[in-house]
Amino acid sequence: DAKTTQPNSMESNEEEPVHLPCNHSTISGTDYIHWYRQLPSQGPEYVIHGLTSNVNNRMASLAIAEDRKSSTLILHRATLRDAAVYYCILRGYSGGGADGLTFGKGTHLIIQP
Amino acid sequence: DGGITQSPKYLFRKEGQNVTLSCEQNLNHDAMYWYRQDPGQGLRLIYYSQIVNDFQKGDIAEGYSVSREKKESFPLTVTSAQKNPTAFYLCASNPPSRRSTPIDEQFFGPGTRLTVL
Repeated sequence: DAKTTQPNSMESNEEEPVHLPCNHSTISGTDYIHWYRQLPSQGPEYVIHGLTSNVNNRMASLAIAEDRKSSTLILHRATLRDAAVYYCILRGYSGGGADGLTFGKGTHLIIQP
Repeated sequence: DGGITQSPKYLFRKEGQNVTLSCEQNLNHDAMYWYRQDPGQGLRLIYYSQIVNDFQKGDIAEGYSVSREKKESFPLTVTSAQKNPTAFYLCASNPPSRRSTPIDEQFFGPGTRLTVL
């Protein structure tokens, strides 16, 4: 899996939008961009994933640059429950089976009330 | 409710003892994984299994062993050969990938925090 680069930490205010950046300059044409988040002392949970087009779901939006070398996870209205470590992960498509995920250190998101 | 259970939540062992961590899933997933997390770090892959009776080493398999006798269960044994076993251990499962769709999300258990005294 290709490498991603994220800021160590970010801070935002409650009820404001949050934009979490991720750089992945060595992404291959078949790599999908996945985001997971991990609340303190819990297992990670899936947030969103995409390939080329921007994606929206009930948790967040994913904006992918046209050259796919970077992406941004958008939380439209942050709450205190969104305080977590957010991981940006590239995952190659494997027709034969599902390999493990490669986690970096992620971005520690702090939400101020 | 479908999900992944790991037991116990906290585990204490004396140095030199083997210990087995439990992971059970009722999601009917073929693929299962074990990760280790150290403080302030991301997760690292220990072992994974894509089907019953088959498993592969991950990035840090030394000092660990696994078995996959049933689809629902993927226990991890931390042996005395693991030099720094104190960590947070996470089990995950994943539907098998299909040729016409992207890789599916992984589902994680709540984790077991192992402390070796």
